Amino acid sequence: SAVISQKPSRDICQRGTSLTIQCQVDSQVTMMFWYRQQPGQSLTLIATANQGSEATYESGFVIDKFPISRPNLTFSTLTVSNMSPEDSSIYLCSVETVSGNTIYFGEGSWLTVV
Amino acid sequence: RKEVEQDPGPFNVPEGATVAFNCTYSNSASQSFFWYRQDCRKEPKLLMSVYSSGNEDGRFTAQLNRASQYISLLIRDSKLSDSATYLCVVKQGGGADGLTFGKGTHLIIQP
Repeated sequence: SAVISQKPSRDICQRGTSLTIQCQVDSQVTMMFWYRQQPGQSLTLIATANQGSEATYESGFVIDKFPISRPNLTFSTLTVSNMSPEDSSIYLCSVETVSGNTIYFGEGSWLTVV
Repeated sequence: RKEVEQDPGPFNVPEGATVAFNCTYSNSASQSFFWYRQDCRKEPKLLMSVYSSGNEDGRFTAQLNRASQYISLLIRDSKLSDSATYLCVVKQGGGADGLTFGKGTHLIIQP
């Protein structure tokens, strides 16, 4: 398994501002991903964070709104830009370990936009 | 048709009882299957992988039926701490882009 630390764990932000969420893993992992889980919904993949190159975004998500960085194998950031109340959600970092095909999740960042 | 379907529940079950719920998936090319548990305001945590031959982990038993494209989770001797949302997860290939999550089944164990 992998230990994943996310911060901030929660935040309340003003609309129009941006927030950067950090994800740190305690070991090198092959894949890092960012998910969103809106209230009462299941998880939706935002993008795959690629080391040293642009992230791969899923349909409905764009780099201008959700810029992602992954400078090395153990760290990634997700920025939620120009926030609106519709961005209120849990944002989850997840990783796939080198050894297996299992996905593990960070504790999530609870974002409320007012 | 939804790719991964689960009965959202809630399932209200007395402590000590046995409870089972299923999940159906639409993509016959799916390769890997998992049950995750998610507590209120927490991240999903892997409960168990589901193997073709079925597998058991303590009070939990998972089974896969490829012909009918469903997986099941059985919980015996349920505990109050089993109350959670159980997410069915199906994976088509490598990487998270092949992961599809169900919306979850809410389980409430009552004393």
